[in-house]
Amino acid sequence: EAGVAQSPRYKIIEKRQSVAFWCNPISGHATLYWYQQILGQGPKLLIQFQNNGVVDDSQLPKDRFSAERLKGVDSTLKIQPAKLEDSAVYLCASSPRREAFNEQFFGPGTRLTVL
Amino acid sequence: AQTVTQSQPEMSVQEAETVTLSCTYDTSENNYYLFWYKQPPSRQMILVIRQEAYKQQNATENRFSVNFQKAAKSFSLKISDSQLGDTAMYFCAFMNTGNQFYFGTGTSLTVIP
Repeated sequence: EAGVAQSPRYKIIEKRQSVAFWCNPISGHATLYWYQQILGQGPKLLIQFQNNGVVDDSQLPKDRFSAERLKGVDSTLKIQPAKLEDSAVYLCASSPRREAFNEQFFGPGTRLTVL
Repeated sequence: AQTVTQSQPEMSVQEAETVTLSCTYDTSENNYYLFWYKQPPSRQMILVIRQEAYKQQNATENRFSVNFQKAAKSFSLKISDSQLGDTAMYFCAFMNTGNQFYFGTGTSLTVIP
């Protein structure tokens, strides 16, 4: 079974530029998560999708971050414009259902550096 | 809001020995779920073990076990017979019944040969 795929793996941009990350979850997984992991910290949930609907985006900085999951499969996370404090690893995870206690399967992450 | 605290930023253990990683959390809910995730260097995060709060029996997975103390809001991870491959960041995580997920800041574990 293929795992969660993310691209690009690394991205370097200057502040005020825009950037987009892509995630392809495990086939058949209904729930998809985007996390931000700043160096030395634990992952922080940005947004959670159930199929193509948003379940929780309470910690997403909506003035600059946006995410979508068209057709309930792939997802993109965009930052526009980027700030220095956005430098982090962005993790995508998926799970079979939205029920509690389901294991999340994580992708390798995208490491973003904002200069 | 729920918080998850891991008070040990770094730990080390000799190969084949036992180590315990600490985790405490704060919640007003009665039903919730707890997890330990492992993040090896430059590799993907994977689930180590999970516990349902309404189960009193501590979860075990081979060399990994937890000590779940609900009243104390404590959820420690014990790794027995430590192996070099156990070297990683370990994150404690909490999920409430609303499926909101919170991670701790992690403990970096080094297994010394």
